[in-house]
Amino acid sequence: GAVVSQHPSWVICKSGTSVKIECRSLDFQATTMFWYRQFPKQSLMLMATSNEGSKATYEQGVEKDKFLINHASLTLSTLTVTSAHPEDSSFYICSASRDRGNYSPLHFGNGTRLTVT
Amino acid sequence: RKEVEQDPGPFNVPEGATVAFNCTYSNSASQSFFWYRQDCRKEPKLLMSVYSSGNEDGRFTAQLNRASQYISLLIRDSKLSDSATYLCVTPTGGGNKLTFGTGTQLKVEL
Repeated sequence: GAVVSQHPSWVICKSGTSVKIECRSLDFQATTMFWYRQFPKQSLMLMATSNEGSKATYEQGVEKDKFLINHASLTLSTLTVTSAHPEDSSFYICSASRDRGNYSPLHFGNGTRLTVT
Repeated sequence: RKEVEQDPGPFNVPEGATVAFNCTYSNSASQSFFWYRQDCRKEPKLLMSVYSSGNEDGRFTAQLNRASQYISLLIRDSKLSDSATYLCVTPTGGGNKLTFGTGTQLKVEL
């Protein structure tokens, strides 16, 4: 069954609005979650690492003020795309590791397809 | 240099064929490797984890060659439903952070 749940599955919004995406770990606590983005025919690109109770760590080139990450509990991380523009249209996917070991695989949410018109 | 490198394909094979993909990695200290499959417009799904010399799960076999720094995925008796992109990945920078390449696209045909 699903290990990580992500909502919504898809969203269409107008340019300038903000969109919040939720990522939940099911039946386990995740102190760290990862947010990825994937454009058509490209690889998954890591955007940021979400840390429970502290600030997220953003990858180079990712604007932290545009992509707000909140990890307020051990089972929930949210990504808010602020003032969305058409170029933000993409497939956003969160992930978490069920195991605490450093070499454990990640399990992914079902992704959120964002279309900004 | 990229953490992992794969031939992007696509590889077109007939149903029932055996097909293998190779993935080379740059960090000789890497301890764990994962194969994911990703269907079009879907999230990656974990296919297999490899921590030692290899792993086998049904029709899928992963082999790790540390001397040559590559890991392979072998699919036997391929089925139409195996058509997907296969991603090889290893954690980078400590912890669970995974950096993905473009993967290898497989198309199984009748």
